[in-house]
Amino acid sequence: NAGVMQNPRHLVRRRGQEARLRCSPMKGHSHVYWYRQLPEEGLKFMVYLQKENIIDESGMPKERFSAEFPKEGPSILRIQQVVRGDSAAYFCASSPAGGQYNEQFFGPGTRLTVL
Amino acid sequence: GENVEQHPSTLSVQEGDSAVIKCTYSDSASNYFPWYKQELGKRPQLIIDIRSNVGEKKDQRIAVTLNKTAKHFSLHITETQPEDSAVYFCAASMATGGYNKLIFGAGTRLAVHP
Repeated sequence: NAGVMQNPRHLVRRRGQEARLRCSPMKGHSHVYWYRQLPEEGLKFMVYLQKENIIDESGMPKERFSAEFPKEGPSILRIQQVVRGDSAAYFCASSPAGGQYNEQFFGPGTRLTVL
Repeated sequence: GENVEQHPSTLSVQEGDSAVIKCTYSDSASNYFPWYKQELGKRPQLIIDIRSNVGEKKDQRIAVTLNKTAKHFSLHITETQPEDSAVYFCAASMATGGYNKLIFGAGTRLAVHP
């Protein structure tokens, strides 16, 4: 049973380019969370999605950032016109539907570097 | 919104000693408190969690205590080993209907010296 998969593991972009980060949840999981971790800091919640729906995007910047979790395929976190301050590790986590205290399983992260 | 503070930011102990990490939270509605261990360059991994209807939980050398009145919870690691060296994060959430928006502390870098 494969765990949460993220790709790419490392991504280098120049200022102004677009970054696309992919997250494939564990089999049977329909809830996806995205977190951002700046160097030497804790993880910050960005967005929570269920299949085809954004449930909570309160942690995501209003501009340049968007997320989706289509019916088929991985969840995508998209950052347009990247700036140096976007350099960070982006982790997604998945959990199963139902239940109240569902553990979140984290992926290995995508380390984004903006030159 | 919820805010989680974590102390200390760094902790250095000798192998075999105990380590204690403390967190406080602000939202009294929070009811789920997981602890994650993150080794350098790796993903966070859940090591133990506690729910608000429980005051203490233990798993081998790891224990977590929760004081709802004071709104703080702590991680205790006994008989520390070098492989316990990592960054530890506490988190809090108001778990409802499977939705756990985790608010993390800033982390504690634990170093266990042989």
